[in-house]
Amino acid sequence: EAVMTQSPATLSVFPGERATLSCRASLSISSNLAWYQQKPGQAPRLLIYDASTRATGIPARFSGSGSGTEFTLTISSLQSGDFAVYYCHQYNNWPPEGTFGQGTKVEIK
Amino acid sequence: QVQLVESGGGVVQPGGSLRLSCAASGFTFSNYGMHWVRQAPGKGLEWVTYIRYTGNIREYADSVKGRFSISRDNSQNTLYLQMSSLRGEDTAVYYCAKEIGFKERPLGYFDFWGQGTLVTVSS
Repeated sequence: EAVMTQSPATLSVFPGERATLSCRASLSISSNLAWYQQKPGQAPRLLIYDASTRATGIPARFSGSGSGTEFTLTISSLQSGDFAVYYCHQYNNWPPEGTFGQGTKVEIK
Repeated sequence: QVQLVESGGGVVQPGGSLRLSCAASGFTFSNYGMHWVRQAPGKGLEWVTYIRYTGNIREYADSVKGRFSISRDNSQNTLYLQMSSLRGEDTAVYYCAKEIGFKERPLGYFDFWGQGTLVTVSS
């Protein structure tokens, strides 16, 4: 099973700045990685799949990159609605197991 | 628009049972596999189980295998999760989530999620 490790746990950023979130897999997952955004009290929302493809309706300021074991989610210019928790999710080994990272909280600096 | 509405959560004693439901609308339910994903209070996400669009193939996380059972009624556009032998570590918000892949091509990730229903296992 691929263990997903996200860093940092918390990222403090000024509005308008760039945020870079990392996700590392314990073994190669090719490009089978998604990113989700979760705001307090809300369900997660799909942002990125196949490591770099934006989901429908996701703004261009969100971008994903990487393959194998190292992945990055970049938010080019943070807006107020972007402060949330972000999870990476590997589906390379599904079924039976798809695993999530523990999340990165992006907070206002 | 796609809507997934979970219900059936509540407080249950350890060893007890509970059945969750998820009412789907805004898409052709019978064409897509469905998942349940859970989130313990203040914790991250954990995939729980999947059911094929036809209902004849199911997958489970090791943590729930033998205790939980997923099913669906395509005539009612409803997904179910039957939970038994519940433990404290099953306490979580349970989300139903739509598989992004169409019919025979499930991919194992999710394009729409419900708002979740809270299950608390406590004596």
